[in-house]
Parts: sequence; structure tokens; C-alpha cells
Amino acid sequence: QVQFMESGGGVVQSRKSLRVSCETSGFTFNYYAMHWVRQAPGQGLEWVALISYDGKYQYYADSVKGRFIISRDNSKNTLYLDMNGLRGEDTAVYYCVSGGRLVTSHLEFWGQGTLVTVSS
Amino acid sequence: IQMTQSPSSFSASTGDRVTVTCRASQGISSYLAWYQQKPGKVPKLLIYAASTLQSGVPSRFSGSGSGTDFTLTISCLQSEDFASYYCQQYHTFPFSFGGGTKVE
Repeated sequence: QVQFMESGGGVVQSRKSLRVSCETSGFTFNYYAMHWVRQAPGQGLEWVALISYDGKYQYYADSVKGRFIISRDNSKNTLYLDMNGLRGEDTAVYYCVSGGRLVTSHLEFWGQGTLVTVSS
Repeated sequence: IQMTQSPSSFSASTGDRVTVTCRASQGISSYLAWYQQKPGKVPKLLIYAASTLQSGVPSRFSGSGSGTDFTLTISCLQSEDFASYYCQQYHTFPFSFGGGTKVE
């Protein structure tokens, strides 16, 4: 069955960097666009970034543009999010989510999430 | 694009007909999805393209609307439906979610 396994979360100091990863299985990874969505403790959902199925196009939320980089390795069925210049407001559970073939598609399958905590 | 949901929370009873509304700050055609999230759980896709039910989702859930105004309706609330519901537009980058509606 489809499985998304996020990893790399943890406690990181403000202004530092962290990479989170999402390893997928049971899923034709290289066919679909992929997203990162985050949820701060007790808050709603916030869309973070998208990468097209071939890695050619990336889009970002204004809150992370210039600090975060989304990438993928289709040979490893893995999605990444490199987070730089972390701030307290980046503290959240980060979900890896599948999209569609087209970038303008709904979000379909969600991973379990990985918690990133930014400390001062 | 700003997505505004109303109400932010409300109380309901099993068997009630429930309606949640979502308004987009500009037209998004039918590029709208609804997600359900139960406490401590991962969000789940309910409806996409404003009115298409995701496979496996009970038929008591329905969605309608296009342009800027959308609704999610639960025809007969069941105990397992007490959760938070989010709308999301995927018409224009950056994509955006509504603030959520908690059904208590």
C-alpha cells in the first residue's frame, strides 16, 4: 500500500538549518507532483511548497520563499525540504503530501508528519 | 488568495444536517478541495474539484459551489464526523487553506 515516511524532524536552534525527508513506497513517485504542508501546534494547515513530478518547477508560500528549498530524487522515491534561517514560527508538524500529475491538482495522500521545533 | 471559512466552530448533534462555507478572495473556478482532520490524526481528502467525492468517502458528504463561494454539507452527522474541516484552493500559487471549522 501507499506509504510516506517522513524523517529528519527534531529540535533546532533559531537561524540554523534542517533537512526533512519523505521516503515513499507503493506509489508511482515519479508520476506525481509533491507538496509539503505544515501545521503549527494547535493551529490550522499551511501549504508550504510544491515540486512538479520531474523536479522542473517549484512553488513556495511567501512565508518560506528564499529560505526553504523543495527537491526530489525520483531514483530514490524521496522528497526533501531544506529549511534555512529557521524561525520560531516555523515550528510545526511537516507533512509530505502527494499531488496530481499537474501542479494544479488537489492534495491526495498524506504522510504521518515529522515535528520540527525551533528553539531560541 | 485568502480562503475564509465560517463558522470557525460550532456545536452539533448526531443526525444533524451540517453546512460549512468557504469563500475565496478571488475566483478559483472549481479548484477547491475539502479535508477532514480528527484530533491527533493526519488530514484526509474528502472532496476535490468542489463537488467530486473522494473514493471511499461516505455519500453523506457533499460539496458545491464555484467561483468564490463553496459549501461542504454533511447530510446526517455521524459520531465519527466530529472533526475539523478545511477548504483549500489549488487554482493559484501560493496554494492556501481556510482557517478551519471545528464541528463539536
